[in-house]
Amino acid sequence: QQQVKQSPQSLIVQKGGIPIINCAYENTAFDYFPWYQQFPGKGPALLIAIRPDVSEKKEGRFTISFNKSAKQFSLHIMDSQPGDSATYFCAAWGRYSGGGADGLTFGKGTHLIIQP
Amino acid sequence: ETGVTQSPTHLIKTRGQQVTLRCSSQSGHNTVSWYQQALGQGPQFIFQYYREEENGRGNFPPRFSGLQFPNYSSELNVNALELDDSALYLCASSSGPRNTEAFFGQGTRLTVV
Repeated sequence: QQQVKQSPQSLIVQKGGIPIINCAYENTAFDYFPWYQQFPGKGPALLIAIRPDVSEKKEGRFTISFNKSAKQFSLHIMDSQPGDSATYFCAAWGRYSGGGADGLTFGKGTHLIIQP
Repeated sequence: ETGVTQSPTHLIKTRGQQVTLRCSSQSGHNTVSWYQQALGQGPQFIFQYYREEENGRGNFPPRFSGLQFPNYSSELNVNALELDDSALYLCASSSGPRNTEAFFGQGTRLTVV
């Protein structure tokens, strides 16, 4: 059962454009929603994160919008640059069903290309 | 850099063999989680170790096992390797099992042939 659904699977945007990546979750017990950036051959790196009591968070060119009632959140990248080309993962933090541990459930990722 | 290091970076094994992957956690972190990332997919939780004890497990069979040592470094062992075990294996360390800020290593790329 996929608890975090991410779209689109891939995205191509011109330099300076604003790519938007969307995620939806099912488990209302999730209480922390990070975005990770991953370059080829590297592990995921934490980009920005939000908690459900906040509707928006900005860090530099990255913004998370959060809609608790709709159980959706999205990542916006302002003034996108070719160096932003990477795979982006949304995730949600909470108790794994039957697992006994708290941890991250990831979406399937969005492959983002920023064209010069 | 996150301070989380994994070894080896790449590994090729034959089906049926056993493999051990290693992770050194960030200084001051006592919790290590292991994830499997298949090609084109998001990471999937395997298990978590906290203070040398397994603290929780995802939907992976018992042939996936682990250890955590007193210095909080960790090992992931996989027995009876299958072709579908080919993936990037990631470890993430944090300062506690409920600390949401997890830092990932660069991963070990395992290929099973």
